[in-house]
Amino acid sequence: ETGVTQSPTHLIKTRGQQVTLRCSSQSGHNTVSWYQQALGQGPQFIFQYYREEENGRGNFPPRFSGLQFPNYSSELNVNALELDDSALYLCASSFGGLTSGELFFGEGSRLTVL
Amino acid sequence: KQEVTQIPAALSVPEGENLVLNCSFTDSAIYNLQWFRQDPGKGLTSLLLIQSSQREQTSGRLNASLDKSSGRSTLYIAASQPGDSATYLCAVNGGGFKTIFGAGTRLFVKA
Repeated sequence: ETGVTQSPTHLIKTRGQQVTLRCSSQSGHNTVSWYQQALGQGPQFIFQYYREEENGRGNFPPRFSGLQFPNYSSELNVNALELDDSALYLCASSFGGLTSGELFFGEGSRLTVL
Repeated sequence: KQEVTQIPAALSVPEGENLVLNCSFTDSAIYNLQWFRQDPGKGLTSLLLIQSSQREQTSGRLNASLDKSSGRSTLYIAASQPGDSATYLCAVNGGGFKTIFGAGTRLFVKA
């Protein structure tokens, strides 16, 4: 059974640039959620994808967007990067869509915005 | 609006001690509660999942309890080891798409 994998593991961008983060969900899972974790804080929910559609969103601006593909993998895109976007971005996969089951996380992508 | 609080924020114990980590939540209408472990700079590892209809779950030296009426969950770690040093997070799902996390308890087990 393949776990959740994320890429890249680390990246550095400058303000105003755009970034794309990728996530492959665990085998058998059809739901992907993205979280942002600032240093010393708990993860904050960004959005969830189920059946290739966004079915829930947290308190994040529209410059945070995503995609889910037919194989259930997902991308998180952030446009017009700001310094406060520096964080660990975590992807979680689960099965069940709106009634979320157990969440399984990847190792995260550490984004630094200079 | 669901809020999740974890106390204490940090804890240091000698090896071998039994310990309890606390998690409280403001809205008792939950679907499930999950405990995670996070090592520095790493992702989250699922430890235990408790469904709303359950009172507790056990895995090895770990036992998690859930009391919805009081809005509390505890994670009990028996015979702590230096390898248990990590941040422990609890997360509450209210039946929708969003899971709310606490800020975590940073545990240090001294050899």
